[in-house]
Amino acid sequence: DSGVTQTPKHLITATGQRVTLRCSPRSGDLSVYWYQQSLDQGLQFLIQYYNGEERAKGNILERFSAQQFPDLHSELNLSSLELGDSALYFCASSARSGSGYTFGSGTRLTVV
Amino acid sequence: DQQVKQNSPSLSVQEGRISILNCDYTNSMFDYFLWYKKYPAEGPTFLISISSIKDKNEDGRFTVFLNKSAKHLSLHIVPSQPGDSAVYFCAASRQTGANNLFFGTGTRLTVIP
Repeated sequence: DSGVTQTPKHLITATGQRVTLRCSPRSGDLSVYWYQQSLDQGLQFLIQYYNGEERAKGNILERFSAQQFPDLHSELNLSSLELGDSALYFCASSARSGSGYTFGSGTRLTVV
Repeated sequence: DQQVKQNSPSLSVQEGRISILNCDYTNSMFDYFLWYKKYPAEGPTFLISISSIKDKNEDGRFTVFLNKSAKHLSLHIVPSQPGDSAVYFCAASRQTGANNLFFGTGTRLTVIP
């Protein structure tokens, strides 16, 4: 157990729908990062939050949004889902911006 | 734009031999480099890192080499063990400013008993 908890582990949904992925960072970690891993692709950085504020944005689609709450957990919202959004979504946390990451075990999203 | 590249999607090595995984990067602003290991159905786990002020970092059987002029780093595993079979991701970042990690596409290492 890495200390980073992601729920749900698996999610199957239909095109056009909206889902929310949840991440609880390791205790004491202020930074949360979201990554997407599609088939045969590397880990694509989506977005980073630090202590509740957006710190950096990567290749995140406008249909996707995220937030970090006062208790430091984070949610990634994916809307108007398309087949191509099927992927593994990983959350990672770190104690401070720039230190090593600890990853969760991911949420596998399947859009049918 | 893939700023971190791992050009070998897979590598097979005999148990006991050396495994060498390679990684290239394009952004000269990167000054911190990491290797992560990933087993199926698990998240990536940190393996070893190196700062740009060094050219080598060693941790047990794992050594990372950094060639800044060539924008190249490599991970050496000696001796390789069957339990090392996994996907290895190279990652890079800047230690100041926007310092999210940029990952390569991974190399699947298979260590043959």
